[in-house]
Formats: sequence, structure tokens, C-alpha cells
Amino acid sequence: QKEVEQDPGPLSVPEGAIVSLNCTYSNSAFQYFMWYRQYSRKGPELLMYTYSSGNKEDGRFTAQVDKSSKYISLFIRDSQPSDSATYLCAMSGDSASGTYKYIFGTGTRLKVLA
Amino acid sequence: GAVVSQHPSWVICKSGTSVKIECRSLDFQATTMFWYRQFPKQSLMLMATSNEGSKATYEQGVEKDKFLINHASLTLSTLTVTSAHPEDSSFYICSLGATFGAQYFGPGTRLTVT
Repeated sequence: QKEVEQDPGPLSVPEGAIVSLNCTYSNSAFQYFMWYRQYSRKGPELLMYTYSSGNKEDGRFTAQVDKSSKYISLFIRDSQPSDSATYLCAMSGDSASGTYKYIFGTGTRLKVLA
Repeated sequence: GAVVSQHPSWVICKSGTSVKIECRSLDFQATTMFWYRQFPKQSLMLMATSNEGSKATYEQGVEKDKFLINHASLTLSTLTVTSAHPEDSSFYICSLGATFGAQYFGPGTRLTVT
């Protein structure tokens, strides 16, 4: 079993739809949960950064972390064609490693249709 | 967030030659930088963790003599791919560790070895 599981998609939605992206993980020591957006042939861009459980909202984006279920989500409201990209979840904070090395999901390719 | 640049953005080299990729933090002093590689439609794979003033820590399976990392200052880390071969063709991305759990990524360098 991979440490972090993420559906690779592709996920196609119509413009204006609410998009739900998810990751599950197995290491209960993770404390920091991130979502990145990556356009083709570009570096990942940090969208959301959450510590421990709870919700965080930033504009059209909402991140949720449920540590009891080892499940994180990213919601995108009023999706736009410009949101078409690959979305990567990342986690860190494994105290055993003593570093903030990331473990990435495989990424979900999202396409928002105009 | 922190701004990270990479140079060059795209390089083509002949098999057997060496290529140096620079990663600069433009507005943040980074004691730790990370180097990743990414193959098409795949997630990021951590190659090494680079700490300013000390030797880099390489991930299992990454040849340290082939991928030379130097982190001589708080704003500059370099990755040199020595004796490059076609299988080294990939997208190389650096990131800097800003705070515990957050990384900011550069735009990436596309390496093509002919």
C-alpha cells in the first residue's frame, strides 16, 4: 500500500461545477497537509497549507483534513477553465524522519470544460 | 510565498556531457532546498535534500556521484548531472523549505539528453 493514495483521473467537469479532490494516507504521524496546482511543464504552486485537522478556506478553494479517517480533500467552487491542471496533495511532518520531507500523491488531472 | 527561480528553463545536451542547473531563492534565505525529478504524467520524485554548508542527503537509488548537489549559500543550490545519458532526460524541479511543512517550488528545468 502506498503511503499516499490519490486518484489520477482525469476528471472532467463543466465550468461552474464544484470539484472535489481527495487523498488518503496511511501514516498517522503526518501533521502538515498541502495542495499544489501544477500546470503542464511548470513547477507546482502552493494552493493550500493546513496543519492538523480542520478546514481552511481561501477564495474559491477549501481544504479539509480529517486525521481520524486519514483523508484530505480540496474543494474548488465555481470552477473555471483556468483551473485545468494537475492537483497534487502532499504531506509531511513525520517526526520519525526529523525533517519536513514531503510525500506526494500521484496527482489528479482536472479538466474544466468551457 | 517565497519566490524561487531556476536556470536554465530548458537545456539540450549531448550524451556524455555534464549539465548544471541553478536554483535561486529570490526573497528568502533557505537553509534547506530539495531537488526533485518528474517524468511525464508522473508525480514528483525526491532526489535529495540540500542543506546549506553541508553535504546533501540523497534518496535511496539516487547516485550521488552522478547528481552532484552544492548548496553554497542561503540563496543558491545547484544540481549538476554528470555524464548525462538519454535516460536522464526529465523535468528537474527544486524547492525551498520555508517553514516546517511548507515548500515553495521553482518553475522547473527541462533536460533533454540526445
